[in-house]
Amino acid sequence: GAVVSQHPSWVICKSGTSVKIECRSLDFQATTMFWYRQFPKQSLMLMATSNEGSKATYEQGVEKDKFLINHASLTLSTLTVTSAHPEDSSFYICSAREFGSGTDTQYFGPGTRLTVL
Amino acid sequence: DQQVKQNSPSLSVQEGRISILNCDYTNSMFDYFLWYKKYPAEGPTFLISISSIKDKNEDGRFTVFLNKSAKHLSLHIVPSQPGDSAVYFCAASNNTDKLIFGTGTRLQVFP
Repeated sequence: GAVVSQHPSWVICKSGTSVKIECRSLDFQATTMFWYRQFPKQSLMLMATSNEGSKATYEQGVEKDKFLINHASLTLSTLTVTSAHPEDSSFYICSAREFGSGTDTQYFGPGTRLTVL
Repeated sequence: DQQVKQNSPSLSVQEGRISILNCDYTNSMFDYFLWYKKYPAEGPTFLISISSIKDKNEDGRFTVFLNKSAKHLSLHIVPSQPGDSAVYFCAASNNTDKLIFGTGTRLQVFP
């Protein structure tokens, strides 16, 4: 299947700092990427839909000024957690949508563990 | 409102037997369904999908069945292997690209 990478795989930061997470589709172009958050023992929660060349669409309850999303190219989307606080500590996962020729599947990155001290 | 539900939080199956994971949904507009497998601290891995125009899709040891009238789908794994032990999520979409995930079922396959 298609490969999606995330960087970094884990990050520890101080409260009040900003953290950027990159999501790349390695062997296909993705006009749409998604950012999820997963709390321990819970399902994936969609945070936002990232569309190449346009503004991201945020789910209800997700602060767009806190979670900045940029989809600069067909293979790269970034999520920046601004002014991070301990409650932002979580596992963040991106996915990229491969669409066309009878397929419509989201492939996920390996995730990024964020710990805010 | 949980539109996609996996009512069994866990399932334990002996190696070689069949594993059946169930998923129910409430939105009749969903037209595409997927199953993902997830290990701790990793992203989900796509397993198999099915369109609403079909009632069965098979790929190796994995078969997904869809019952639209009951709004129910299931994933069959046969024969089950210890390496199948993971959390399995079903997901659904309704002609948009957003996936709605179930809460997951932890499968444990023991020797």
